[in-house]
Amino acid sequence: DTGVSQDPRHKITKRGQNVTFRCDPISEHNRLYWYRQTLGQGPEFLTYFQNEAQLEKSRLLSDRFSAERPKGSFSTLEIQRTEQGDSAMYLCASSLAGQNTEAFFGQGTRLTVV
Amino acid sequence: GNSVTQMEGPVTLSEEAFLTINCTYTATGYPSLFWYVQYPGEGLQLLLKATKADDKGSNKGFEATYRKETTSFHLEKGSVQVSDSAVYFCALTGGGNKLTFGTGTQLKVEL
Repeated sequence: DTGVSQDPRHKITKRGQNVTFRCDPISEHNRLYWYRQTLGQGPEFLTYFQNEAQLEKSRLLSDRFSAERPKGSFSTLEIQRTEQGDSAMYLCASSLAGQNTEAFFGQGTRLTVV
Repeated sequence: GNSVTQMEGPVTLSEEAFLTINCTYTATGYPSLFWYVQYPGEGLQLLLKATKADDKGSNKGFEATYRKETTSFHLEKGSVQVSDSAVYFCALTGGGNKLTFGTGTQLKVEL
């Protein structure tokens, strides 16, 4: 296993367009997390899944954002009608369920909305 | 809610200097505490962790002790190297093991 992978690594889109990002977690990990990181800040939690169930969504996740993990393996994060404020690094992480288990992060998808 | 405050960077040190990066937290319950590191062009990696009060996490010469009485988890290294240049993030876990991060501290080590 090569770790958590995210695709694409970079995305430039025009304001108002929809974008979709993909995350492939470590295969045996049943938890998957999405975070957003803006320049000079730490990552902020967006949402997480245990298997295919989305268990929690941050209030940061507006109704333009939707995430899925249809078969409990890979996940997608879609942003509809992108705004310039959506420009950020979107990070995916995965872990085993259980307390204090280590989360492994992907390299992220950098989104630029022009 | 949970929050993490860490010292602002950038921090610039000479090789072999002593490093301290301060981190304090606010949390309900008894969180676990973490330091993550982000090397240039790479993803976040776990550096060390501590799961209960007075635990010391250590890895690659870095150490941090979970101090419940001062709600702190300061990162230290006795002798930094150029290869330690990176951004360091202090973090804690809440429900579901989701992480709350500080803003990060950039460390630059020069020869």
